[in-house]
Amino acid sequence: NAGVTQTPKFQVLKTGQSMTLQCAQDMNHEYMSWYRQDPGMGLRLIHYSVGAGITDQGEVPNGYNVSRSTTEDFPLRLLSAAPSQTSVYFCASSYSTVQPPQHFGDGTRLSIL
Amino acid sequence: AQKVTQAQTEISVVEKEDVTLDCVYETRDTTYYLFWYKQPPSGELVFLIRRNSFDEQNEISGRYSWNFQKSTSSFNFTITASQVVDSAVYFCALSPEETSGSRLTFGEGTQLTVNP
Repeated sequence: NAGVTQTPKFQVLKTGQSMTLQCAQDMNHEYMSWYRQDPGMGLRLIHYSVGAGITDQGEVPNGYNVSRSTTEDFPLRLLSAAPSQTSVYFCASSYSTVQPPQHFGDGTRLSIL
Repeated sequence: AQKVTQAQTEISVVEKEDVTLDCVYETRDTTYYLFWYKQPPSGELVFLIRRNSFDEQNEISGRYSWNFQKSTSSFNFTITASQVVDSAVYFCALSPEETSGSRLTFGEGTQLTVNP
């Protein structure tokens, strides 16, 4: 998906490991967010940011950490991976908080063993 | 608390049939936004529409149309003359107005399969 880049696309971790999912956008968007998608549950908001230096929790923030040091990047950190965090993760961005997330990344499929 | 319910888990139709995807929502907010997204088999999420709670006019875009009824808290999506390329998972979502698209609550999605 042009504009929002997520890496890696796939990752397998062992329980207890930590890792960072990367998200970058080159559209100078203020607003960025992370969602997780689980079968039968739609997408749920993990964390979001309305600009550099500002982050806030979404619906399911436990076990995840974020920071927004630049406008372009919004990494999501798993502090100590658990099998319950096996999911597909999507990063999204929009120009401002008054616009819906119209630009989603292609997703990161994460498996925790 | 907000909630979005898409009661139809899966729908299967034959090409050229019309199909309606249901979306019912719950919110205590007096103003809010409703959205539809499409997720094709390739996995990306595609924004389709945003509707403000003040605007109950139906909207049509090509073969797509949306019916917003505040009285029944529903925001249904109809595809006319469906095509195989319409096969995807469709998500309805809701957001409080003050945050607009920044805090979306998604429904569980409806898997639409259009058979040739």
